[in-house]
Amino acid sequence: DAMVIQNPRYQVTQFGKPVTLSCSQTLNHNVMYWYQQKSSQAPKLLFHYYDKDFNNEADTPDNFQSRRPNTSFCFLDIRSPGLGDAAMYLCATSRTEKMTQYFGPGTRLLVL
Amino acid sequence: DAKTTQPNSMESNEEEPVHLPCNHSTISGTDYIHWYRQLPSQGPEYVIHGLTSNVNNRMASLAIAEDRKSSTLILHRATLRDAAVYYCILRDIQGAQKLVFGQGTRLTINP
Repeated sequence: DAMVIQNPRYQVTQFGKPVTLSCSQTLNHNVMYWYQQKSSQAPKLLFHYYDKDFNNEADTPDNFQSRRPNTSFCFLDIRSPGLGDAAMYLCATSRTEKMTQYFGPGTRLLVL
Repeated sequence: DAKTTQPNSMESNEEEPVHLPCNHSTISGTDYIHWYRQLPSQGPEYVIHGLTSNVNNRMASLAIAEDRKSSTLILHRATLRDAAVYYCILRDIQGAQKLVFGQGTRLTINP
């Protein structure tokens, strides 16, 4: 089945230690998104790629970066995680920016 | 972005219909009404969307008021697997097309 895959499902890192979260898709969609969802809150868009074009949200901290080496993969890099960055990180894809988004199961990040 | 207002929580019984309301009094003529839901420990999933006319699919129905200032997501026969947070989201067919999630409605289904 075509899908959005996020690995790992749970990630533990130390305060200040860089961490990378991975997302892959078999849908061959042009757009890939990263959302942050803190406990009991709604998902919040961090940034997205349309093909290789990177679109950052105005209020996304500089601590968060992303890479998309090819159509199938997208990475979220957190350069110096703080305790406040503990959250569920959701990856999503869509064929175009106007179309339905398909979400992965998320990676829950714990910062110690 | 135009805003939506939903009740924080609702409760229903298994095998009964559920009507989830959403108010969007500042909706513009180019806003589509989308519904996503998020089951426990999963990412959100698309449910349904519409512009002016009522819509049906295998998951749910969407009833849109004539003035488009409100809409209702209808689950015709709720099951325990429908317990989730339901998000009503307006997406402008022009412009950025972002999904801006509000707080949603947490639906509890009683057996």
